[in-house]
Amino acid sequence: GAGVSQSPSNKVTEKGKDVELRCDPISGHTALYWYRQSLGQGLEFLIYFQGNSAPDKSGLPSDRFSAERTGGSVSTLTIQRTQQEDSAVYLCASSSFGKEAFFGQGTRLTVV
Amino acid sequence: AQSVTQLGSHVSVSEGALVLLRCNYSSSVPPYLFWYVQYPNQGLQLLLKYTTGATLVKGINGFEAEFKKSETSFHLTKPSAHMSDAAEYFCAVSERRDDKIIFGKGTRLHILP
Repeated sequence: GAGVSQSPSNKVTEKGKDVELRCDPISGHTALYWYRQSLGQGLEFLIYFQGNSAPDKSGLPSDRFSAERTGGSVSTLTIQRTQQEDSAVYLCASSSFGKEAFFGQGTRLTVV
Repeated sequence: AQSVTQLGSHVSVSEGALVLLRCNYSSSVPPYLFWYVQYPNQGLQLLLKYTTGATLVKGINGFEAEFKKSETSFHLTKPSAHMSDAAEYFCAVSERRDDKIIFGKGTRLHILP
């Protein structure tokens, strides 16, 4: 596609439920990032994928969070047993060779 | 490993005044440097970038930034602020041998009438 696509754009879930957020990066981009942006806060790094290398998971806030990237393309961020503090906008970005990152529009997650 | 520091989480300037948003980086190799802008309720978009060549780079909406290796800085400036410049600004760095792009915490720019 022409840009980074994220789905769904909005998600409302009940506390304790699992959610999956999807990211389709720009075709050919080897790097993929997930960030979280809580209300009024900056970017919080979650996880970074680069080609076939082991992902950098250093930003995942708890073991309830996980992500995978299948076939070096589409990525899914999974949050298990959601909590109210997980409410935020989840942003995905992709890039190639350290050049500019292109961001999706994000998924706004609300845990009620 | 590279890192980015943005000085000031909030900056307020009067309309028509100079905008200066500070960014310092650390990198063991010549970096790529970026500024991104996020307008209210919108996604992040690239404002400008430095990769090679001229150290003064111009971006959209009248913004520019200068790469100063000796100061490890990449400050963002605009001569005259407009109300429409109110947004959050993020500085970022990547090392050319490593694809990972590191973002700063962001600076929220407020424009006073």
